[in-house]
Amino acid sequence: GENVEQHPSTLSVQEGDSAVIKCTYSDSASNYFPWYKQELGKRPQLIIDIRSNVGEKKDQRIAVTLNKTAKHFSLHITETQPEDSAVYFCAASNGGNQFYFGTGTSLTVIP
Amino acid sequence: DTAVSQTPKYLVTQMGNDKSIKCEQNLGHDTMYWYKQDSKKFLKIMFSYNNKELIINETVPNRFSPKSPDKAHLNLHINSLELGDSAVYFCASRQGWGAGGYTFGSGTRLTVV
Repeated sequence: GENVEQHPSTLSVQEGDSAVIKCTYSDSASNYFPWYKQELGKRPQLIIDIRSNVGEKKDQRIAVTLNKTAKHFSLHITETQPEDSAVYFCAASNGGNQFYFGTGTSLTVIP
Repeated sequence: DTAVSQTPKYLVTQMGNDKSIKCEQNLGHDTMYWYKQDSKKFLKIMFSYNNKELIINETVPNRFSPKSPDKAHLNLHINSLELGDSAVYFCASRQGWGAGGYTFGSGTRLTVV
């Protein structure tokens, strides 16, 4: 089955700096890659996703890049703000029913 | 209106008890899931139903039994609760294959004492 690895497990940045979270996957058939943000005590919420026919997608301060050859994808957050502090999860799907989640990155933005 | 709702939000119970968690989605999605999130925040899939049919049944003790009376509901019943069952349980739904991301419920924090 698919194996998704996520790094780093914790990340601290100064407010206004950029944050990058990286994930690798093992199944070359994976074609859909969502990212979830989970604030403390809340549910994971989809913040951005990318399909395998696209190399990059951007939504305001967040962007996701995908390198199919290397089987890795990354989340980029620019101009970080304290409200970006949360746990972020990447996931991969091969079009089937199940998502395979990474182990999460706890991001802290220091004011 | 809440898209995926779970009840109860908090559940504190003694070892050996039997308890249920209910989940309902009003999104018209075909597929529903149960995930367990442990203290390290890892999201582990437990079960998935598509149109009331069980399609994913991960290595979960048979003390856990899901039930889907219709495609809008997926309940989780747990028998003989153990300390290790303490976790946050999330219900989620998705439209179907290749249809985008999950929508998660707000979670049920289960504490077994």
